[in-house]
Amino acid sequence: GENVEQHPSTLSVQEGDSAVIKCTYSDSASNYFPWYKQELGKGPQLIIDIRSNVGEKKDQRIAVTLNKTAKHFSLHITETQPEDSAVYFCAASRGSGGSNYKLTFGKGTLLTVNP
Amino acid sequence: SAVISQKPSRDICQRGTSLTIQCQVDSQVTMMFWYRQQPGQSLTLIATANQGSEATYESGFVIDKFPISRPNLTFSTLTVSNMSPEDSSIYLCSVDEMVLDEQFFGPGTRLTVL
Repeated sequence: GENVEQHPSTLSVQEGDSAVIKCTYSDSASNYFPWYKQELGKGPQLIIDIRSNVGEKKDQRIAVTLNKTAKHFSLHITETQPEDSAVYFCAASRGSGGSNYKLTFGKGTLLTVNP
Repeated sequence: SAVISQKPSRDICQRGTSLTIQCQVDSQVTMMFWYRQQPGQSLTLIATANQGSEATYESGFVIDKFPISRPNLTFSTLTVSNMSPEDSSIYLCSVDEMVLDEQFFGPGTRLTVL
């Protein structure tokens, strides 16, 4: 089955700095890679995702890059703000269709943005 | 995106008892899933809730312990049976929204077993 490794487990940055979280996956058939943000006491919130037909995707201050050859993908947050503090999870799946919807998650990164 | 609600939001239960968690979606969805998140850990898929047929369980999870129902395209329940303190976790419902083909999570049910 799929195995997703996520690094670092904790990340502390100053407000305004950039943060980068990296994930690797093992299943070469995986083609959908979402990122979730989980604040304390809440369910995971989808913040951005990427599919294997693109290498990079941006949405305001967040971006995700994908390298299918190396089987890794990364989340980039620029101009970090205290409200970005949360646990971030990467995930991978084979995408649409039946059991392909199953997501395998990384272990999470606790991001702390210091004012 | 789909709006997902779960009941109860939290509960404290005695060992040996059972708890049924409800998941309601505001639109019809094909795929519904149940995850477990143990304290400070990542998310682990328990099962896929199939409408009109038995749920599909992941390795390490069995129907006798986690019976699941899905009577229609907007509702599912997960029962945690014969609970022990090791079952203390957050239980999350998620759905795959057909149009966006993205997976969204409910707010979770925080279960403590004494």
